Amino acid sequence: EVVMTQSPATLSVSPGESATLSCRASQSVNSNVAWYQQTRGRAPRLLISAASTRASGVPARFSGSGSGTGFTLTINSLQSEDFAVYYCQQYNNWPPTFGQGTKVEIK
Amino acid sequence: QVQLVQSGAEVKKPGSSLKVSCKTSGGTFSNYAISWVRQAPGQGLEWMGGIIPIFGIAKYAPDLQDRVTITADAATATVSMELSGLKVEDTAVYFCARAVTEDLYYNAMDVWGLGTAVTVSS
Repeated sequence: EVVMTQSPATLSVSPGESATLSCRASQSVNSNVAWYQQTRGRAPRLLISAASTRASGVPARFSGSGSGTGFTLTINSLQSEDFAVYYCQQYNNWPPTFGQGTKVEIK
Repeated sequence: QVQLVQSGAEVKKPGSSLKVSCKTSGGTFSNYAISWVRQAPGQGLEWMGGIIPIFGIAKYAPDLQDRVTITADAATATVSMELSGLKVEDTAVYFCARAVTEDLYYNAMDVWGLGTAVTVSS
């Protein structure tokens, strides 16, 4: 199965600053990558699909890029509600797999 | 507005079976895959399997395929997930989620249930 490796495990950022999260696939997954946000005790929320397409209602400060094996989620001007855990997921190869998550915490 | 409504929390004994349901309301049921994703305490997300109701055929993660069964009931717009031979390490929150695109077994998932907490303990 495809292993998705996220880095860093934890990212400390001040409100108003930007955050860049990385996700690397163990083999090419084309652009079939999604990013999810999860706050404690809640279900994941889809942010990005197809590597760079924002889901409905997702603010423009969230952007995704990449293809093949390397992917990035960028959050500009972090708001208080953005401090959460973020997961990448590939859905190109069977079975779909998630990264282990990156926690974005307040610095 | 599509919603996925899951059944309530469960406490199970090791070796027993679990059945969790996920009812779709407010949208098309048959063409969109419904997947099950679980999350052990303090851990990440694990995709377990999924079904496209109109096809009635489920696909499963290799690690779980001997123990998990996913079914769909069009009459009640409900997808159910049954996990047998429960182990302590099956303790987790179980989510159902709907695929973004019709007719694809695995995809990004844009509608999620609230989750069902399952505890397996002797």
